[in-house]
Amino acid sequence: QVQLQESGPGLVKPSQTLSLTCTVSGDSISSWSYYWSWIRQPAGKGLEWIGRMYVTGSPNYNPSLKSRVTIARDTSKNQFSLKLSSVTAADTAVYYCTRDRGDEDSVILDYWGQGILVTVSS
Amino acid sequence: DIQMTQSPSSVSASVGDRVTITCRASQGISSWLAWYQQKPGKAPKLLIYAASILQSGVPSRFSGSGSGTDFTLTISSLQPEDFATYYCQQASSFPPTFGPGTKVDIK
Repeated sequence: QVQLQESGPGLVKPSQTLSLTCTVSGDSISSWSYYWSWIRQPAGKGLEWIGRMYVTGSPNYNPSLKSRVTIARDTSKNQFSLKLSSVTAADTAVYYCTRDRGDEDSVILDYWGQGILVTVSS
Repeated sequence: DIQMTQSPSSVSASVGDRVTITCRASQGISSWLAWYQQKPGKAPKLLIYAASILQSGVPSRFSGSGSGTDFTLTISSLQPEDFATYYCQQASSFPPTFGPGTKVDIK
């Protein structure tokens, strides 16, 4: 059974960097079969794809966030991470890590973590 | 980016009703469409991908159809556990984008 679990600070100050980690169990982030993505959802609003990484380490990012986002992996811990710099209140959201069964041209999110609320406030 | 719209934004229905939700893409996406179900306080769950392929474990009362720009999600006989918000997502080009959601609630 694939499981994903987000962890990290629930409160980040404006202009600082949001850092989250996703721990994966039941699968390997080094698998050639899947990508690993981050999604976010502001309260009461829709879903936004942030970006993803693959076993090769090459990430894809949403152009709207690309200048502020870094997705990386730690294969020894079977974890991948999200860093979002220069945050503002608009970055307040529930952040989800997901497994992506798509291919190099498509994103299909078949397993999701429970999500973690990150609030940007001083 | 490809814009996704959904209609209706909400629908009230009773157990046993047939419910149809429509999703439209701003440009053709072939069959590169997925549907997700989200219950309050929970993560979304993949229901359908490639417009009509049921994800493993999803009940057969859910079905999807369409191609190009117009798609539908149909619940043939609404069950109590189906009251939720449903999102479509295009998987045709980057970045993937989601519809605004359709909330299915109890009449």
